[in-house]
Amino acid sequence: AQKITQTQPGMFVQEKEAVTLDCTYDTSDPSYGLFWYKQPSSGEMIFLIYQGSYDQQNATEGRYSLNFQKARKSANLVISASQLGDSAMYFCAMREVLVTGNQFYFGTGTSLTVIP
Amino acid sequence: ETGVTQTPRHLVMGMTNKKSLKCEQHLGHNAMYWYKQSAKKPLELMFVYSLEERVENNSVPSRFSPECPNSSHLFLHLHTLQPEDSALYLCASSQDIGTGNQPQHFGDGTRLSIL
Repeated sequence: AQKITQTQPGMFVQEKEAVTLDCTYDTSDPSYGLFWYKQPSSGEMIFLIYQGSYDQQNATEGRYSLNFQKARKSANLVISASQLGDSAMYFCAMREVLVTGNQFYFGTGTSLTVIP
Repeated sequence: ETGVTQTPRHLVMGMTNKKSLKCEQHLGHNAMYWYKQSAKKPLELMFVYSLEERVENNSVPSRFSPECPNSSHLFLHLHTLQPEDSALYLCASSQDIGTGNQPQHFGDGTRLSIL
């Protein structure tokens, strides 16, 4: 079974609007971390935001926020006020702490295109 | 500047060649990782090193041979590769392994093409 599922291969958003990128995860570990990364066409993976499984509040980092719904096992990334530079691949990832502390699991990614 | 530097950025090699990929991190981290990224597939974790000891080897073919001489440097030695090994190879580091809130910091990757 897939540990991380990103069902949107490609998304388009108008500049200055908000966009939500979906991510669902599968784990039996009570302690885990969820991460979002951005990968521009140049290749580097840029860490954006983190949400811990025990965190009570949704994580926010500037224009990025994580809509964490634990019961539904979803961790959607919300980008507000989209900019042209936000066009990139976005990857959701999970780290299980107790079960497999060494493993990061990544989704297949969502390609976001911001339209001027 | 991510703090993780990979060289070379691009590499084209024949199936009989031997080459090495290099990764260096300037973040004072204790854990380093090699990933393979192929088109339309999730990142595949290949190797994990913690304090220069290999702690994970995810059934990677022996034609890939990692080396971690110290906590700042990680190499991936390549020999007798196959066309399906063409991919982007990403190096990452994190403060430690086994701690849930530690993000991984990635390099820019080496784009490898096998002729």
